[in-house]
Amino acid sequence: ILNVEQSPQSLHVQEGDSTNFTCSFPSSNFYALHWYRWETAKSPEALFVMTLNGDEKKKGRISATLNTKEGYSYLYIKGSQPEDSATYLCACRTGANNLFFGTGTRLTVIP
Amino acid sequence: KAGVTQTPRYLIKTRGQQVTLSCSPISGHRSVSWYQQTPGQGLQFLFEYFSETQRNKGNFPGRFSGRQFSNSRSEMNVSTLELGDSALYLCASSRDRATNEKLFFGSGTQLSVL
Repeated sequence: ILNVEQSPQSLHVQEGDSTNFTCSFPSSNFYALHWYRWETAKSPEALFVMTLNGDEKKKGRISATLNTKEGYSYLYIKGSQPEDSATYLCACRTGANNLFFGTGTRLTVIP
Repeated sequence: KAGVTQTPRYLIKTRGQQVTLSCSPISGHRSVSWYQQTPGQGLQFLFEYFSETQRNKGNFPGRFSGRQFSNSRSEMNVSTLELGDSALYLCASSRDRATNEKLFFGSGTQLSVL
């Protein structure tokens, strides 16, 4: 079992604020890091999959970085909007090919 | 293109019963994974199937089993249900088992064990 940790557990921000959260994972035997967005009453939806140290991905106002040597990834949201309110999950894939999820960061954007 | 379909959406069972959940992946996807979500816990990996073979299994008791059919549809079975099995069960599909393949999730089956 891989220990994937996310912080903070929950976060409230004002509309227009930028925010970021962290995903930590063991750096040994690393294969890929996934970020998913899970809105209430919907299915988790993939945001990014990153495999290389130093990878940076961007999708609109959301971006992510990856540091495989120190075992962390950051997710950034620029100018948060109420529709960004969701739980953001990260997951780490190891050499055994299992995908281990963190418990998520629950983001609430206050209008 | 249709998404991942899980049936039923909700299920209520009593302790000791067994249950079968179904997952139809996106057309062309050959890998299906199952996850359990309970309050306060992350998604816990149950198992993964690819081309009708179980490729990986999580740390769950033998009461949890699954299978995959030739059309890639998958079923998950839980026998002798316990109260602690109450959870949201999600399945996810991907095209193959490449490490950079993202997962596409279904809406889940909410199982309540009374």
